[in-house]
Amino acid sequence: GESVGLHLPTLSVQEGDNSIINCAYSNSASDYFIWYKQESGKGPQFIIDIRSNMDKRQGQRVTVLLNKTVKHLSLQIAATQPGDSAVYFCAEKSQAGTALIFGKGTTLSVSS
Amino acid sequence: ETGVTQTPRHLVMGMTNKKSLKCEQHLGHNAMYWYKQSAKKPLELMFVYNFKEQTENNSVPSRFSPECPNSSHLFLHLHTLQPEDSALYLCASSQGQGSIQSPLHFGNGTRLTVT
Repeated sequence: GESVGLHLPTLSVQEGDNSIINCAYSNSASDYFIWYKQESGKGPQFIIDIRSNMDKRQGQRVTVLLNKTVKHLSLQIAATQPGDSAVYFCAEKSQAGTALIFGKGTTLSVSS
Repeated sequence: ETGVTQTPRHLVMGMTNKKSLKCEQHLGHNAMYWYKQSAKKPLELMFVYNFKEQTENNSVPSRFSPECPNSSHLFLHLHTLQPEDSALYLCASSQGQGSIQSPLHFGNGTRLTVT
């Protein structure tokens, strides 16, 4: 069935380092992908999205890369800050799908 | 402020109680969703409403009953829940389904504990 997964449940980095969070998806029909950030006590917060007609998209300090050949999605955070500490989820959706399907999440810990 | 407001933030209820969760969105969206978030599990889609019509019931037990009176409000009525129903219940909204793909905007959830 459809599933979205993440390679690592936790990632620890030093402040100022670049972070890379990975995600693998299984549905080749998925054409829309989103990264969310969830801080303790809050709901998931939209970070950045990408459609399948693109392989890279940049935001403020974040870049999402999409490799449709191997069904892999990654989120790169430049100059990671303590405020970036949170759980990060990838999610995917196909045109035929009703709603987003989420992976389990990666907990990013940033130490100063 | 996310534009999606959920109340209450915390709820403790017994297995024989009846309670309701409320969600309101101020984003002008036409689709609303209920998700369940349990520890160490991915977010689970429960229900989807598009222009007030339910378009998805993801095999949710009947002790959970959704209601969508208009595109801005969504309720989840709870009755005779089980302890394993304890979780964070998240409401989300998006532009109507069928339109261009767009992200979901989430509220901060209701933390439900069933005793």
